[in-house]
Amino acid sequence: EAGVTQFPSHSVIEKGQTVTLRCDPISGHDNLYWYRRVMGKEIKFLLHFVKESKQDESGMPNNRFLAERTGGTYSTLKVQPAELEDSGVYFCASSQGGSLNTEAFFGQGTRLTVV
Amino acid sequence: AQSVTQLDSQVPVFEEAPVELRCNYSSSVSVYLFWYVQYPNQGLQLLLKYLSGSTLVKGINGFEAEFNKSQTSFHLRKPSVHISDTAEYFCAVFESGGGADGLTFGKGTHLIIQP
Repeated sequence: EAGVTQFPSHSVIEKGQTVTLRCDPISGHDNLYWYRRVMGKEIKFLLHFVKESKQDESGMPNNRFLAERTGGTYSTLKVQPAELEDSGVYFCASSQGGSLNTEAFFGQGTRLTVV
Repeated sequence: AQSVTQLDSQVPVFEEAPVELRCNYSSSVSVYLFWYVQYPNQGLQLLLKYLSGSTLVKGINGFEAEFNKSQTSFHLRKPSVHISDTAEYFCAVFESGGGADGLTFGKGTHLIIQP
């Protein structure tokens, strides 16, 4: 069974450009999470989808970030326009249930560099 | 709001020696505790978790952790490490009864196994 996959694995863009990150969760997982790790800092929660609905987006840094999950399958995270401080590794995770008894599986992450 | 402190950014250990990776947290409510591992070029993988019950939790690859409520700690231990344990280890908490849906992570500890 395929795990959580993220595209691209690396992205280098200029300040002011737009970038879209994609996450394909494990098939059948209703819960999808986005996290971000800025260099040298903690991994921070961004938001949580249950199917196509945003359950919690309290961690989204500002309105330059837009996450979608149309149809409740894959999810995209768009950054527009990108700023230097957006650089970091963006992780996606999925789980079958929302309770802590169900394990969340993480993707390898997308390393975003804004120059 | 909760926070997680991993005091050691790097821990060098000789192969077959024991290791302890420290994790302390702060929270005003009940928490659930996790340790994740990230091997090079891979996503985060759950090592073990504490939800309730016995304070000594056993995980995969011979790791265990002990929840100490009075000291607000959840240190990770392994009696004898192997070269393959070289990775970055993350402690994380989830605060019950409200707050964000996602985990709060520490900054991570690089475990470096020396032959």
